[in-house]
Amino acid sequence: DIVLTQSPGTLSLSPGERATLSCRASQRISSDYLAWYQQKPGQAPRLLIYGASSRATGIPDRFSGSGSGTDFTLTVSRLEPEDFAVYYCHQYSRSLWTFGQGTKVEIK
Amino acid sequence: QVKLQESGPGLVKTSETLSLTCTVSGASMNNYYWSWIRQPPGKGVEWIGYVHVSGTTSYSPSLKSRLTMSVDTSKNQFSLKVSSVTAADSAIYYCARGNYLHGVEVWGQGITVTVSS
Repeated sequence: DIVLTQSPGTLSLSPGERATLSCRASQRISSDYLAWYQQKPGQAPRLLIYGASSRATGIPDRFSGSGSGTDFTLTVSRLEPEDFAVYYCHQYSRSLWTFGQGTKVEIK
Repeated sequence: QVKLQESGPGLVKTSETLSLTCTVSGASMNNYYWSWIRQPPGKGVEWIGYVHVSGTTSYSPSLKSRLTMSVDTSKNQFSLKVSSVTAADSAIYYCARGNYLHGVEVWGQGITVTVSS
């Protein structure tokens, strides 16, 4: 199965700053079957990005996804107070789906 | 608007079988991969597996020997069974809808399951 490794484990930033989160796959992910989720305490994860770069319905354009092959990035252009949360990447390119271990974005 | 709701016991005894059901409302079950995902306390999310209405299943290799998933379209439900549970199986269990366009796209609210003797 494909292992996803996210970095950094924790990102300490201030509101208004840019956040760059990385997700690296142990094997090439075909057709960009890579998604990103946001999870806040006590809530289920919420889909942000699918197909590596397409925003899900209702997701603000400050969230963007990029990358291909084995290296993918989630960027939050200007952090809003509600963006401080844990973010997960997820691959669904083959029948064995997997998630990364998560990156926590915390207030500096 | 599709909604998913998990149900089942919140406490399961060690070595017994954990059984959960997810009820789907607001949408057909056809053409989707109905998934289970869990999250141990204070940890990240872990994909458990999925079942398709065709009967196709895919299970996480680390759990495969203890898993059974099934779907009942007449009741708009799908289910998860995990046998021989230990404390390591204690987690929030989420049911979810997925496809090969969005991945896991809709999540239930989650149900907390504790395994204890």
